[in-house]
Parts: sequence; structure tokens; C-alpha cells
Amino acid sequence: QQPVQSPQAVILREGEDAVINCSSSKALYSVHWYRQKHGEAPVFLMILLKGGEQKGHEKISASFNEKKQQSSLYLTASQLSYSGTYFCGTEPGRGSTLGRLYFGRGTQLTVWP
Amino acid sequence: DTEVTQTPKHLVMGMTNKKSLKCEQHMGHRAMYWYKQKAKKPPELMFVYSYEKLSINESVPSRFSPECPNSSLLNLHLHALQPEDSALYLCASSQTGLASGRRNHEQFFGPGTRLTVL
Repeated sequence: QQPVQSPQAVILREGEDAVINCSSSKALYSVHWYRQKHGEAPVFLMILLKGGEQKGHEKISASFNEKKQQSSLYLTASQLSYSGTYFCGTEPGRGSTLGRLYFGRGTQLTVWP
Repeated sequence: DTEVTQTPKHLVMGMTNKKSLKCEQHMGHRAMYWYKQKAKKPPELMFVYSYEKLSINESVPSRFSPECPNSSLLNLHLHALQPEDSALYLCASSQTGLASGRRNHEQFFGPGTRLTVL
């Protein structure tokens, strides 16, 4: 039930945009996004609960297409601080035990000055 | 206090040792988690406690033994580990969905314990 993330890695110049995708073969109830910097713990970015809902946090936003079981994370005008590995965590829509998230393999984002 | 703390930060142990990892949160969260993370891999769920009761055990070997003494504390007792158990062990906490009616809440991770088994 692990979601598929793409791309595996992205290299950007400061100020460029990036999109990270997360898709599941199972119906989803929610999608979580986390960022982890090297040697640090994952940090929560946002959670998406409804289909088609977009949530934003400064220059980072995300969408969730319930019907396609997909979520995308949008990073606009990237900053050096955006570098890290981004994980999506999905909660299946049916039969899921409370607290159980399935994490994708991660997308490594590198922003250069 | 919006922090999850973990001790120790680093731990080196032999295969015959017994050690414990400790996790603490004071956010009033009633769900707590243990994850194992290998380099360049996603966190891998080990255990979930909800309202101090074990709700998920992801078929973890018995050499890992979790304990939740109260709603703020979570321990992971280690015994007779193997070198392949070397990893970053992360603790996380979240509100449960039971109180709010929502299924899942964001998880707040601690800094982790870097474990090396010799």
C-alpha cells in the first residue's frame, strides 16, 4: 500500500518551481506531506483531507485529487531552505487502522544558489 | 510545549546488551509511534499506541519491546539486537481521531536516536 512518489530527485536553482507527485493504488482518506533535512527528523508540512482541496503554507501548497488517488506538492520560487527529502504519507480510505500512514520512498530536493 | 524529545541521541550497543530508548511529549497527544528509518529510506512504522494501549504492531521482532507507562511517555526496550537493526529510531505523537472525529492528525516527530549495533 506504499504510495508512489515522483520524481525521485529534483535539482533546482533558487527561485525556480517544482512539483512532487504522490499516487496510490488504493482509495485515500487523507494525504500528509513531510520534509526531512539530512540528519534531522521529518517535519510536518500539511495534511489534505478532502478531494480537490488545496492547502497552502507560504510558497508551498498542495492539492489532493480523491478520484485519482493522487496528491501533488507545489514549491514555488524555491528557497535554499527548501532542500531536503519530501515524503508523502497516505491514509487508506477503507479498513485503515487509526494512526497508520504509508510513506512513499521520498523525493530528494536540492536547491542551489 | 510543542516538542517531542528523545533520549539518548546516539547509542552504541553490543548484541548481548539490553538498552532502552525514551520518548516524551507534553502536547496532550494520545497517540504515540515508533518508527525505524534506514539511510535514504522512508520511516518504517513499528508500533502505535493509542490511549496508552498498543494498537498496531507491524510484526516487529520480539527483541524490540515497546512500553507506554503513561500518556506522555513511550519507551522502546532493546535486547539481543542484530547489526542490521542499526538505524535512526524516531518517535512521533499526534492527537487521536477518537476525540475529534477526524481519522488522522499530523504527526510530530522527535529528533531520533541513532542506534549502532556492533
